[in-house]
Amino acid sequence: QVQLVQSGAEVKKPGASLKISCKATGYTFTNFFIHWVRQAPGQGLEWMGIINPSGGRTVYAQNFQGRVTMTSDTSTSTLYLDLSSLRSEDTAMYYCARVRGYPTAPPYLDSWGQGTLVIVSS
Amino acid sequence: DVQMTQSPSFLSASVGDRVTITCRASQSISSHLNWYQQKPGKAPKLLIYVASNLQTGVPSRFSGSGSGTDFTLTISSLQPEDFATYYCQQGYRTPPTFGPGTTVDIK
Repeated sequence: QVQLVQSGAEVKKPGASLKISCKATGYTFTNFFIHWVRQAPGQGLEWMGIINPSGGRTVYAQNFQGRVTMTSDTSTSTLYLDLSSLRSEDTAMYYCARVRGYPTAPPYLDSWGQGTLVIVSS
Repeated sequence: DVQMTQSPSFLSASVGDRVTITCRASQSISSHLNWYQQKPGKAPKLLIYVASNLQTGVPSRFSGSGSGTDFTLTISSLQPEDFATYYCQQGYRTPPTFGPGTTVDIK
């Protein structure tokens, strides 16, 4: 079955960088785009960007432009999220999620990783 | 960006109740509206996609309707495992945006 398994929790200091992984199994890795979404404690869901694992084309949310990089490794079916210049407001649960439908049909997120908790604190 | 609103923000209900959650988009999004359920400490789970399509494995007591700017999620008979937060999400325009959520709690 489809599974997205994310790397473990991280504690970072302000100004540091972060790299989270999301390993995909149970489907053809290059056939589905992946979203990254985050959720601050007690808050709603915030879209960070999307990556096409086939070729690596990305679209990032305006709020993260210049700080975020999403990459994919087709040899290991793994996606990566890099976020730099961390601040306390980046404390959140980070999720990867597979997109069905996109770009040829209405998109929806049918499978989610378990989440990676990131705490940014001095 | 397309702004999504949900009402109510919080809902207190009993097992067996019929529950309706509404979601409104700031502009027409056709039927590109999805619903997710999230329980504490867990990732969101897809319930309904493209406004009215039930995701595989989701109980039939969940249903969705609407198009354009106004959408509803209905739970026909609330079960103990349905107490959670529900989010709508539009996929019509980039960036995809989520509603603020509706928390369904036990009365």
